[in-house]
Amino acid sequence: QKEVEQDPGPLSVPEGAIVSLNCTYSNSAFQYFMWYRQYSRKGPELLMYTYSSGNKEDGRFTAQVDKSSKYISLFIRDSQPSDSATYLCAMKLPGAGSYQLTFGKGTKLSVIP
Amino acid sequence: DAGITQSPRHKVTETGTPVTLRCHQTENHRYMYWYRQDPGHGLRLIHYSYGVKDTDKGEVSDGYSVSRSKTEDFLLTLESATSSQTSVYFCAISEGDSNEQFFGPGTRLTVL
Repeated sequence: QKEVEQDPGPLSVPEGAIVSLNCTYSNSAFQYFMWYRQYSRKGPELLMYTYSSGNKEDGRFTAQVDKSSKYISLFIRDSQPSDSATYLCAMKLPGAGSYQLTFGKGTKLSVIP
Repeated sequence: DAGITQSPRHKVTETGTPVTLRCHQTENHRYMYWYRQDPGHGLRLIHYSYGVKDTDKGEVSDGYSVSRSKTEDFLLTLESATSSQTSVYFCAISEGDSNEQFFGPGTRLTVL
């Protein structure tokens, strides 16, 4: 079993739709959870960062972490064509000296005008 | 791209030749990382640095070496490139204990 599982898609939605992107993980020790957005032929861009369980909202984006289920989600409200990209989840263990991020493989999203 | 540049941006080379990729940052961040991104595997850590001359191995370090002689520069070297090292290579930086890593634009390497 991979440490982090993410459905690669592709996911295609109409403009204005609510998008739900998800990752599951196997290592219960992960404490830090991130979502990156990656446009084609570009580097990943940090979108959201959460610690432990709970929700975090930033504009049209909401990140949720459910540690009991080992499941994280990213919701995009009122999706726009500019949201078309690959979305990567990433996770990290706690503690000083722990630098490695473990990434999901990414979900490719297309928002159709 | 958070003050991070990578060079070259594209490179085609032949099996067995040495290749060096450069990452340069203007953020004065202490930590620097090299990742590779491949279809079906996602992003995987090759090596990282937690200070000048301080480096350590990541998940997929075989066949790669790194050096960091200045805070702003982190070099990734493929001593003898193989076709399995064809990939997109990303440099990332982070500051202190921050868990937020910021990525450069990437280098697309093809080994024939």
